[in-house]
Amino acid sequence: QVQLVQSGAEVKKPGASVKVSCKASGYTFTDYYIHWVRQAPGQGLEWMGWINPNSAYTNYAQNFQGRVTMTRDTSISIVYMELSRLTSDDTAVYYCARGGRAARDNWFDPWGQGTLVTVSS
Amino acid sequence: QSALTQPASVSGSPGQSITISCTGTSSDVGGYNYVSWYQQHPGKVPKLLIYDVSNRPSGVSNRFSGSKSGNTASLTISGLQAEDEADYYCSSYRSSSTLFVFGTGTKVTVL
Repeated sequence: QVQLVQSGAEVKKPGASVKVSCKASGYTFTDYYIHWVRQAPGQGLEWMGWINPNSAYTNYAQNFQGRVTMTRDTSISIVYMELSRLTSDDTAVYYCARGGRAARDNWFDPWGQGTLVTVSS
Repeated sequence: QSALTQPASVSGSPGQSITISCTGTSSDVGGYNYVSWYQQHPGKVPKLLIYDVSNRPSGVSNRFSGSKSGNTASLTISGLQAEDEADYYCSSYRSSSTLFVFGTGTKVTVL
């Protein structure tokens, strides 16, 4: 079955960077976009960006431009999301989710299990 | 980049129908048929319920239905059940530097 498995929880200090991985299985990795979405404690969902695993082309939400980098390794079907210059406002659960075959496809299914990133001094 | 507007909470009795609205602009909800809906139980991962305004993925109950009129999309849950108590989020494609946006979220309570 289609599955996304993320790396484990992280604790980082303010100003540091974090890199979260998302391993895909059960489908052709390069056929579908991968999106990243985060959810701060008790808050709603926030779209961060997507990566086209085939071309490695990325699109980032304006709020994260300059701080986020999404990459992929097609040999092992893994997508990475790195967020730099962390502040306490970045404390959240970070999800990867499979999108559609086209850039505009607005559906996210399935989702990874989530990775809690805690930013604390 | 502002989120789509949803009511903070909606409630209903078992067996009733409820509707959750999701209001955007002509740059997102009103301009494209790229609206999706998600259900999230506490501490759980979001689950896709509806995509492209009104399409249900396989395995999703037909008690969930979606529609759109102008800049407002709606999710209707019919035959409300206790297990439907959760948070619900809409999402839309947006013609801006931020391509996708979520709604503010709605907490559904089954009385």
